[in-house]
Amino acid sequence: DIVLTQSPGTVSLSPGERATLSCRASQSVSSSYLGWYQQKPGQAPRLLIYGASSRATDIPDRFSGSGSGTDFSLTISRLEPEDFAMYYCQQYDGSITFGQGTRLEIK
Amino acid sequence: QVQLVQSGGEVKSRGASVKVSCKTSGYSFTSYGINWVRQAPGQGLEWLGWISVYQGNTNIAQKFQGRVTMTADKSTTTVYMDLRSLTSDDAAVYYCARGSHWPPINFDHWGQGTLVSVSS
Repeated sequence: DIVLTQSPGTVSLSPGERATLSCRASQSVSSSYLGWYQQKPGQAPRLLIYGASSRATDIPDRFSGSGSGTDFSLTISRLEPEDFAMYYCQQYDGSITFGQGTRLEIK
Repeated sequence: QVQLVQSGGEVKSRGASVKVSCKTSGYSFTSYGINWVRQAPGQGLEWLGWISVYQGNTNIAQKFQGRVTMTADKSTTTVYMDLRSLTSDDAAVYYCARGSHWPPINFDHWGQGTLVSVSS
């Protein structure tokens, strides 16, 4: 299975700042099969980005995804208070794997 | 609106089995697949597998092959996940998530989660 490694493990930022979260794959991943999810405590995950760069329904345009091959990133252009949460990348290559997550916390 | 409503929490003994249901509504049931994902306390997300509710075929993660069965009932638009031979490592919140018909990606709607506890 492809291993996804997310970095940093935790990032501390202030509202209004820009956040860039990284997801590196152990082998090349099809961009069509790379997604990002947000999860808040006690809630189910929410799909943010699919196909590496397409925003899911009702996702604000401050969220953007990019990358190809083995390196992908999620950028939040201007952090809002509700954006502080866990973020997971996900890939499919015949089996689904998730990264270990990045915790985005308020500084 | 799309809804996935899961069955309530379960407490099981080691070695027992648990069956979790996921009742869907608000969309064409056979046009999407359903995935099962679990999350142990304080841990990340782990995919158990996918079922094509249209054809009934499944793709079970290698780690769970032989221990997980997924089924779909078109008459009630409900999907079931059966996990056997429970150990303490299986204690987690189990989620169903709607995904593309094929491949099993883009989990755009999720159930509320079902907490499975395993007691000794």
